[in-house]
Amino acid sequence: EVQLVESGGGLIQPGGSLRLSCAASGFTLSNFNMNWVRQAPGKGLEWISYITTTSNPIYYADSVRGRFTVSRDNAKNSLYLQMNSLRADDTAVYYCARGNPYDYWGQGTLVTVSS
Amino acid sequence: EIVLTQSPATLSLSPGERATLSCRASQSISRYLAWYQQKPGQAPRLLIYDASNRATGIPARFSGSGSGTDFTLTISSLEPEDFAVYYCQHRSNWPPTFGQGTRLEI
Repeated sequence: EVQLVESGGGLIQPGGSLRLSCAASGFTLSNFNMNWVRQAPGKGLEWISYITTTSNPIYYADSVRGRFTVSRDNAKNSLYLQMNSLRADDTAVYYCARGNPYDYWGQGTLVTVSS
Repeated sequence: EIVLTQSPATLSLSPGERATLSCRASQSISRYLAWYQQKPGQAPRLLIYDASNRATGIPARFSGSGSGTDFTLTISSLEPEDFAVYYCQHRSNWPPTFGQGTRLEI
Protein backbone atom coordinates (compact mmCIF):
# COMPACT_ATOMS: atom_id res chain seq x y z
CA GLU A 1 0.00 0.00 0.00
CA VAL A 2 1.34 3.40 -0.99
CA GLN A 3 1.75 5.68 2.02
CA LEU A 4 3.15 9.15 2.49
CA VAL A 5 3.57 10.41 6.04
CA GLU A 6 4.54 14.00 6.77
CA SER A 7 6.10 15.16 10.00
CA GLY A 8 7.89 18.15 11.45
CA GLY A 9 5.10 20.68 11.63
CA GLY A 10 4.36 22.82 14.64
CA LEU A 11 4.19 26.32 16.05
CA ILE A 12 7.05 28.59 15.03
CA GLN A 13 7.68 32.30 15.44
CA PRO A 14 7.89 34.61 12.43
CA GLY A 15 11.37 34.57 10.98
CA GLY A 16 12.03 31.07 12.25
CA SER A 17 12.90 27.86 10.43
CA LEU A 18 11.33 24.44 10.25
CA ARG A 19 12.14 21.24 8.38
CA LEU A 20 9.35 19.01 7.18
CA SER A 21 9.83 15.37 6.28
CA CYS A 22 7.76 13.04 4.16
CA ALA A 23 8.35 9.31 4.59
CA ALA A 24 7.34 7.16 1.65
CA SER A 25 6.43 3.49 1.79
CA GLY A 26 4.78 0.95 -0.48
CA PHE A 27 6.63 2.20 -3.54
CA THR A 28 10.15 3.14 -4.65
CA LEU A 29 10.55 6.86 -4.10
CA SER A 30 13.45 7.08 -6.53
CA ASN A 31 11.08 6.31 -9.40
CA PHE A 32 8.81 9.28 -8.81
CA ASN A 33 8.90 13.05 -9.00
CA MET A 34 7.50 14.60 -5.84
CA ASN A 35 5.77 17.77 -4.72
CA TRP A 36 4.85 19.86 -1.72
CA VAL A 37 1.39 21.41 -1.72
CA ARG A 38 -0.03 23.54 1.06
CA GLN A 39 -3.44 24.67 2.22
CA ALA A 40 -3.98 27.65 4.47
CA PRO A 41 -6.79 27.26 7.01
CA GLY A 42 -10.14 27.39 5.25
CA LYS A 43 -8.51 28.13 1.91
CA GLY A 44 -7.70 26.31 -1.32
CA LEU A 45 -4.69 24.32 -2.46
CA GLU A 46 -1.37 25.88 -3.44
CA TRP A 47 1.46 23.99 -5.12
CA ILE A 48 4.79 25.17 -3.71
CA SER A 49 7.58 22.86 -4.86
CA TYR A 50 8.49 20.06 -7.26
CA ILE A 51 11.57 17.86 -7.32
CA THR A 52 12.44 15.32 -9.96
CA THR A 53 13.80 11.85 -9.29
CA THR A 54 17.39 13.09 -9.66
CA SER A 55 16.79 16.41 -7.87
CA ASN A 56 17.38 18.28 -11.11
CA PRO A 57 15.39 20.23 -12.02
CA ILE A 58 13.61 21.66 -9.00
CA TYR A 59 10.82 24.24 -9.17
CA TYR A 60 9.31 26.57 -6.60
CA ALA A 61 6.30 28.82 -6.41
CA ASP A 62 7.14 32.51 -6.32
CA SER A 63 5.67 32.72 -2.82
CA VAL A 64 8.41 30.48 -1.36
CA ARG A 65 11.35 30.79 -3.75
CA GLY A 66 14.50 31.83 -1.92
CA ARG A 67 13.09 30.83 1.47
CA PHE A 68 12.17 27.16 1.04
CA THR A 69 14.40 24.32 -0.16
CA VAL A 70 13.16 20.91 -1.24
CA SER A 71 15.41 17.87 -1.15
CA ARG A 72 15.15 14.12 -1.17
CA ASP A 73 17.04 11.09 0.04
CA ASN A 74 16.03 8.20 -2.16
CA ALA A 75 18.02 5.74 -0.08
CA LYS A 76 15.92 6.69 2.94
CA ASN A 77 12.69 6.94 0.91
CA SER A 78 12.25 10.46 2.23
CA LEU A 79 11.39 13.91 0.95
CA TYR A 80 12.16 17.12 2.83
CA LEU A 81 11.17 20.76 2.88
CA GLN A 82 13.47 23.21 4.64
CA MET A 83 11.51 26.36 5.42
CA ASN A 84 13.36 29.50 6.44
CA SER A 85 12.28 33.08 7.13
CA LEU A 86 8.79 31.90 7.90
CA ARG A 87 5.93 34.40 7.76
CA ALA A 88 2.40 34.39 9.09
CA ASP A 89 1.05 33.69 5.62
CA ASP A 90 3.03 30.44 5.51
CA THR A 91 0.59 29.06 8.07
CA ALA A 92 -0.96 26.02 6.41
CA VAL A 93 -1.25 22.28 6.26
CA TYR A 94 1.64 21.02 4.19
CA TYR A 95 1.15 17.93 2.06
CA CYS A 96 3.65 15.89 0.12
CA ALA A 97 2.19 14.47 -3.08
CA ARG A 98 3.47 12.03 -5.62
CA GLY A 99 3.86 12.61 -9.33
CA ASN A 100 1.98 15.06 -11.53
CA PRO A 101 -0.95 14.74 -11.42
CA TYR A 102 -0.77 14.07 -7.73
CA ASP A 103 -1.95 10.51 -7.39
CA TYR A 104 -1.08 9.97 -3.72
CA TRP A 105 -1.02 12.47 -0.88
CA GLY A 106 0.09 12.34 2.71
CA GLN A 107 -2.25 13.29 5.53
CA GLY A 108 -0.52 16.63 5.95
CA THR A 109 1.34 18.38 8.74
CA LEU A 110 0.23 21.71 10.19
CA VAL A 111 2.65 24.60 10.32
CA THR A 112 1.55 27.60 12.37
CA VAL A 113 3.64 30.76 12.16
CA SER A 114 2.72 33.06 15.00
CA SER A 115 4.29 35.02 17.83
CA GLU B 1 0.63 32.00 -14.50
CA ILE B 2 -2.49 30.23 -15.70
CA VAL B 3 -5.59 31.04 -13.68
CA LEU B 4 -8.25 28.38 -13.26
CA THR B 5 -11.73 29.61 -12.46
CA GLN B 6 -14.23 27.14 -11.08
CA SER B 7 -17.98 27.56 -11.13
CA PRO B 8 -20.20 27.57 -9.31
CA ALA B 9 -18.55 28.30 -5.99
CA THR B 10 -21.20 26.26 -4.25
CA LEU B 11 -23.57 23.69 -5.71
CA SER B 12 -26.53 22.49 -3.70
CA LEU B 13 -28.01 19.19 -4.84
CA SER B 14 -29.56 16.03 -3.46
CA PRO B 15 -28.45 12.40 -3.57
CA GLY B 16 -29.35 10.83 -6.88
CA GLU B 17 -29.09 14.08 -8.80
CA ARG B 18 -26.54 14.87 -11.48
CA ALA B 19 -23.73 17.33 -10.68
CA THR B 20 -21.91 19.40 -13.28
CA LEU B 21 -18.83 21.35 -12.17
CA SER B 22 -16.95 23.71 -14.45
CA CYS B 23 -13.31 24.77 -14.66
CA ARG B 24 -12.13 27.44 -17.08
CA ALA B 25 -8.47 28.18 -17.81
CA SER B 26 -7.13 31.63 -18.63
CA GLN B 27 -5.30 30.16 -21.62
CA SER B 28 -5.23 26.85 -23.42
CA ILE B 29 -3.95 23.93 -21.35
CA SER B 30 -4.66 21.24 -23.94
CA ARG B 31 -5.99 18.33 -21.86
CA TYR B 32 -3.59 18.74 -18.94
CA LEU B 33 -6.28 19.05 -16.30
CA ALA B 34 -6.95 17.02 -13.20
CA TRP B 35 -9.81 16.99 -10.70
CA TYR B 36 -9.49 16.30 -6.97
CA GLN B 37 -12.01 15.69 -4.24
CA GLN B 38 -11.39 16.85 -0.68
CA LYS B 39 -13.48 16.03 2.36
CA PRO B 40 -13.14 17.90 5.67
CA GLY B 41 -9.98 16.99 7.55
CA GLN B 42 -8.69 14.82 4.71
CA ALA B 43 -6.10 15.12 2.01
CA PRO B 44 -7.28 15.65 -1.55
CA ARG B 45 -7.91 12.57 -3.67
CA LEU B 46 -7.22 12.38 -7.38
CA LEU B 47 -10.38 11.67 -9.37
CA ILE B 48 -9.63 12.52 -13.01
CA TYR B 49 -6.40 13.23 -14.86
CA ASP B 50 -5.69 14.50 -18.37
CA ALA B 51 -9.24 15.81 -18.57
CA SER B 52 -11.09 12.52 -18.88
CA ASN B 53 -9.14 9.61 -17.38
CA ARG B 54 -10.45 8.21 -14.13
CA ALA B 55 -7.80 7.53 -11.50
CA THR B 56 -7.43 4.10 -9.99
CA GLY B 57 -10.42 3.05 -7.93
CA ILE B 58 -12.63 5.99 -8.88
CA PRO B 59 -16.26 5.01 -9.52
CA ALA B 60 -17.67 5.26 -13.02
CA ARG B 61 -20.20 7.88 -11.93
CA PHE B 62 -17.34 10.40 -12.08
CA SER B 63 -16.44 11.59 -15.55
CA GLY B 64 -14.44 14.45 -16.99
CA SER B 65 -14.51 16.21 -20.32
CA GLY B 66 -13.10 19.20 -22.12
CA SER B 67 -9.98 20.52 -23.75
CA GLY B 68 -8.31 23.84 -24.35
CA THR B 69 -9.83 26.22 -21.81
CA ASP B 70 -13.15 24.67 -20.77
CA PHE B 71 -13.52 21.56 -18.67
CA THR B 72 -16.31 19.77 -16.87
CA LEU B 73 -16.50 17.25 -14.05
CA THR B 74 -19.77 15.33 -14.03
CA ILE B 75 -21.08 13.12 -11.26
CA SER B 76 -23.92 11.19 -12.85
CA SER B 77 -25.88 10.26 -9.73
CA LEU B 78 -24.75 11.72 -6.43
CA GLU B 79 -24.02 9.43 -3.52
CA PRO B 80 -23.99 10.77 0.07
CA GLU B 81 -20.19 10.43 0.19
CA ASP B 82 -19.75 12.71 -2.85
CA PHE B 83 -20.56 15.87 -0.92
CA ALA B 84 -17.18 17.55 -0.64
CA VAL B 85 -15.02 20.27 -2.19
CA TYR B 86 -13.72 19.71 -5.72
CA TYR B 87 -10.62 21.32 -7.17
CA CYS B 88 -9.28 21.41 -10.70
CA GLN B 89 -5.53 21.66 -11.37
CA HIS B 90 -3.48 22.09 -14.52
CA ARG B 91 -0.03 20.79 -15.38
CA SER B 92 0.37 22.51 -18.72
CA ASN B 93 3.32 24.64 -17.63
CA TRP B 94 5.00 26.04 -14.53
CA PRO B 95 3.67 26.79 -12.07
CA PRO B 96 0.85 24.27 -11.82
CA THR B 97 -2.15 25.96 -10.31
CA PHE B 98 -5.43 24.96 -8.73
CA GLY B 99 -8.87 26.42 -9.10
CA GLN B 100 -10.45 27.97 -6.03
CA GLY B 101 -12.76 24.98 -5.53
CA THR B 102 -16.44 24.14 -5.82
CA ARG B 103 -18.24 23.09 -2.67
CA LEU B 104 -20.84 20.44 -3.39
CA GLU B 105 -23.39 20.43 -0.61
CA ILE B 106 -26.68 18.81 0.16
